[in-house]
Amino acid sequence: ETGVTQTPRHLVMGMTNKKSLKCEQHLGHNAMYWYKQSAKKPLELMFVYNFKEQTENNSVPSRFSPECPNSSHLFLHLHTLQPEDSALYLCASSQARAGGTYEQYFGPGTRLTVT
Amino acid sequence: GENVEQHPSTLSVQEGDSAVIKCTYSDSASNYFPWYKQELGKGPQLIIDIRSNVGEKKDQRIAVTLNKTAKHFSLHITETQPEDSAVYFCAASISGAGNMLTFGGGTRLMVKP
Repeated sequence: ETGVTQTPRHLVMGMTNKKSLKCEQHLGHNAMYWYKQSAKKPLELMFVYNFKEQTENNSVPSRFSPECPNSSHLFLHLHTLQPEDSALYLCASSQARAGGTYEQYFGPGTRLTVT
Repeated sequence: GENVEQHPSTLSVQEGDSAVIKCTYSDSASNYFPWYKQELGKGPQLIIDIRSNVGEKKDQRIAVTLNKTAKHFSLHITETQPEDSAVYFCAASISGAGNMLTFGGGTRLMVKP
């Protein structure tokens, strides 16, 4: 689990705040992902970055803004969130290979509460 | 798009018994099926996976079977132990499709000592 780290582990923010979630992977991978995990719903893919380029945006509202400055770091910038955005936000990484399917390794998550 | 259904949502077994969790998927092009275990306060951990060119894979007490014709795959845990208690997720994806995993809804497994 220490291969992918996330900070902070817990975050409480008001609807008018701006905050950022950080993810760092120490596995030498070249692809990173953000997922949202809500109670009673399956894990939802939010964003995918391959080789630092965003390749997927799974219809995520613009109040979530990802940033991938290099292949080891991934951020999720949050602003004007809604209470329904309260969830566990998980980061994952994998080693992408052409035409293959790749094991994804998850971090511990950031538990976000929007008040 | 892909849809993955997982059953049961909760499963309670006695220590030493076997546990089976089943998943079905909708897209016949899916060819990679991982299983994750999530303990309280932790992120999902990959425990086993299977690709469409094999029908079964084992790793100690854990095994996964795949039936491509019926589009379902299952996780089998034998000789369950209290530390197996967790939420288990199945997932499916297609090679070359950006490695986008579609997850099932999860199964909460409780192993009673």
